[in-house]
Amino acid sequence: AQKVTQAQTEISVVEKEDVTLDCVYETRDTTYYLFWYKQPPSGELVFLIRRNSFDEQNEISGRYSWNFQKSTSSFNFTITASQVVDSAVYFCALSEQGTGNQFYFGTGTSLTVIP
Amino acid sequence: NAGVTQTPKFQVLKTGQSMTLQCAQDMNHEYMSWYRQDPGMGLRLIHYSVGAGITDQGEVPNGYNVSRSTTEDFPLRLLSAAPSQTSVYFCASLSFSGNTIYFGEGSWLTVV
Repeated sequence: AQKVTQAQTEISVVEKEDVTLDCVYETRDTTYYLFWYKQPPSGELVFLIRRNSFDEQNEISGRYSWNFQKSTSSFNFTITASQVVDSAVYFCALSEQGTGNQFYFGTGTSLTVIP
Repeated sequence: NAGVTQTPKFQVLKTGQSMTLQCAQDMNHEYMSWYRQDPGMGLRLIHYSVGAGITDQGEVPNGYNVSRSTTEDFPLRLLSAAPSQTSVYFCASLSFSGNTIYFGEGSWLTVV
């Protein structure tokens, strides 16, 4: 069973639109971490955010915001006023304390921001 | 501040050849791992290590060998390359206290 599901394979938005990337996870651990990584066309993986399972407070960082809801096992990522430089593949990931901190990645969402 | 360094960045191999992807980290992280990235499949764990002298298999270990003789280095060996191993490979390291994984820049491998 897939531990991290990113149902959106590809999304296209026009510049300045807001866009939300969905992430649903599955775990039986009570202690776990959730992550978002960005992979721009150059290929490197860039860490964006980490949340632990005990902290459901939503976070905003500039144009980025994250909505963590344990009740629905979701950790969604919103980009406000999207820019062309936001075009990338975005990966959601889960790390469970019970499995020695192994990371499980979703299959990624490819975001294209059209100028 | 090198972080995670992996080499080579690009490599073309012939079927049956062997090669080693090098990975080094300078953050004194206990945990290191190798992933492969294929279209539509995200990142899949090949092998990982929780410390020097300790390695274990991930989700897709067949055709690959690893060793961890030092904390810093975690090479990935392809024993007899196959076209199915054409992929992008990422090395990663993690500090258990920090619980954030850091990736190398990736190695693009093509097996013909």
